[in-house]
Amino acid sequence: QQPVQSPQAVILREGEDAVINCSSSKALYSVHWYRQKHGEAPVFLMILLKGGEQKGHEKISASFNEKKQQSSLYLTASQLSYSGTYFCGTESGSARQLTFGSGTQLTVLP
Amino acid sequence: DAGVIQSPRHEVTEMGQEVTLRCKPISGHNSLFWYRQTMMRGLELLIYFNNNVPIDDSGMPEDRFSAKMPNASFSTLKIQPSEPRDSAVYFCASRDPGEETQYFGPGTRLLVL
Repeated sequence: QQPVQSPQAVILREGEDAVINCSSSKALYSVHWYRQKHGEAPVFLMILLKGGEQKGHEKISASFNEKKQQSSLYLTASQLSYSGTYFCGTESGSARQLTFGSGTQLTVLP
Repeated sequence: DAGVIQSPRHEVTEMGQEVTLRCKPISGHNSLFWYRQTMMRGLELLIYFNNNVPIDDSGMPEDRFSAKMPNASFSTLKIQPSEPRDSAVYFCASRDPGEETQYFGPGTRLLVL
């Protein structure tokens, strides 16, 4: 079953913060976050594993609430380059494959 | 490393024709995934290979779709006969046995007229 992402779209000004949420009805082993720019392939951002620590690099970080089967992606002091569609991919059970959410379109304006 | 390589990058064909998409995974990766992306359905997993063996093909839409992985460095996704509703971007991704991350290829943009 596909994870649910929210919001579907968000528009920010450069320097503003954003949070993108991903929730699943299944018990999750891991959550993967990808960013896709128009006409390009999805690019891996980070992975959160069950029992693992909150991840982050630069001004993008993420958390994983195992009890609620939810993950959130935090973008702070957004830059123009952050624009794109963000997807969460969830992995549950023993199947080492991802089910992707429908995506959140993020637009950062100057 | 060159990354995941897909060919062709663009394909335009007429309904009823056979279409073959190709993928070369990153050297040393033993898992390969075929995805389809459309506006309506998002990014869907079609089939997943591990060590050249199909593990899960439940996402393959119907018998018109078939996928093979004859060796560790090559996979094909074939559509025969193609239909306009097959128009989409098809991505191939691969994964290292010791990692969790999937690396996507640039995709093949397919248009069936």
